[in-house]
Formats: sequence, structure tokens, C-alpha cells
Amino acid sequence: DAGVIQSPRHEVTEMGQEVTLRCKPISGHDYLFWYRQTMMRGLELLIYFNNNVPIDDSGMPEDRFSAKMPNASFSTLKIQPSEPRDSAVYFCASSLRWDKGYTFGSGTRLTVV
Amino acid sequence: AQSVSQHNHHVILSEAASLELGCNYSYGGTVNLFWYVQYPGQHLQLLLKYFSGDPLVKGIKGFEAEFIKSKFSFNLRKPSVQWSDTAEYFCAVNTNAGKSTFGDGTTLTVKP
Repeated sequence: DAGVIQSPRHEVTEMGQEVTLRCKPISGHDYLFWYRQTMMRGLELLIYFNNNVPIDDSGMPEDRFSAKMPNASFSTLKIQPSEPRDSAVYFCASSLRWDKGYTFGSGTRLTVV
Repeated sequence: AQSVSQHNHHVILSEAASLELGCNYSYGGTVNLFWYVQYPGQHLQLLLKYFSGDPLVKGIKGFEAEFIKSKFSFNLRKPSVQWSDTAEYFCAVNTNAGKSTFGDGTTLTVKP
């Protein structure tokens, strides 16, 4: 298995632009998680899905952030419009069951200038 | 709601020193416990996990952790660290709510 695949690896965009981050979880994993990591705030859970259904989006910072999981093999995290404070590394992770560990993707490093 | 506390934010050791990183959680029910490692510039990787049975679990690269239920603790240990163990370590707890709760992480720096 290729693991959790995220794209792009790096994204540099101007303030106000729309940004879309993509994630392909491990086949068969029922859970998918989006995390954001910064030096100041550490690792933050943004949203997670179970069987493609959003379960908890309480960590999504504001309405500028949205996430979808149209099918079991693909999820997107969108920021519109982007702001410099959104600069961070965004990780996607998937898990087979609630009592299993996570497999993280390599992350997307987002820089908003 | 459960919470995870990692007491040491930054630990600095010399090579061959012994390591123990503390992790305490607050939750009264059944838990699954994890340690993850994040090497510089990389993503988090699962180091070891506890589900049930023997409270002393062994993971990759010589790491082990002991679950002490009475103390709500799951401390990570390694008898002799190497320079390559320099990384950030995260403790996490999972109940039956689907998501893990992560601690704030402990940065380990091993001096050669």
C-alpha cells in the first residue's frame, strides 16, 4: 500500500486566493482526519470523517475552511479566501478503526503571502 | 472529554543516556494508548500502541512504554538514546469516540 497520499507537498499562494488540499486515504480505512500543525499551536484536529460522513468539525477555524469526502478514496480541505495566518503544515491521516493507530500522510506545507 | 498531558516540553540528552517521557491522561473508561514520533521535517509515525494485556509494550527502534492504570500514565522509555532519536514525540489516547486526543508533544534533542 502506498500509504496516505497528500497533494501538493508544498503550496505558496497569495492572500485572498482559494487553496485546495487533497488526500487519498489508505484503502479500507474507515476514518479520515485533517490536522494542522504550527509552531505556535502545535497539532490541531480540524475535522474527521467516518465512512465519508463528517463526524466532528468543531476544530475548523472559521467559515473560510471547508472539507469534503465525496467517496472513500478522496478528501479535500479548502480554504477560501486564504490568509497569512493559515500558513502551516496540513496533515491528513486515516485509520482502520477507532481503536487503531493513525497513518499520517507526508503533509502539505502551505505558505500564504 | 479526555485530555492528554505531556509534562516535558523539551528534553536534552547525551547519546547513550536513558530516556523517559511522561504522559498522563484523564479518562475513566477503557482507553487505547499510542506514542507517535515526528522526525524533523517529516510526518508523524506510530511508534507503539497499547490495547490490552501486558502493560509493558515494545515498539520499534528499542522504545517501550508502560501503562499504569492506577496512575493514568503511559510513559515512554528507551535505555540508551541515539542521535537519530532526535525528534518530537506525541502521546495520544483513544476511547470509543473515533478520534484520538494528542498531547502537546515533547521535543527530544540528543547531543552526539
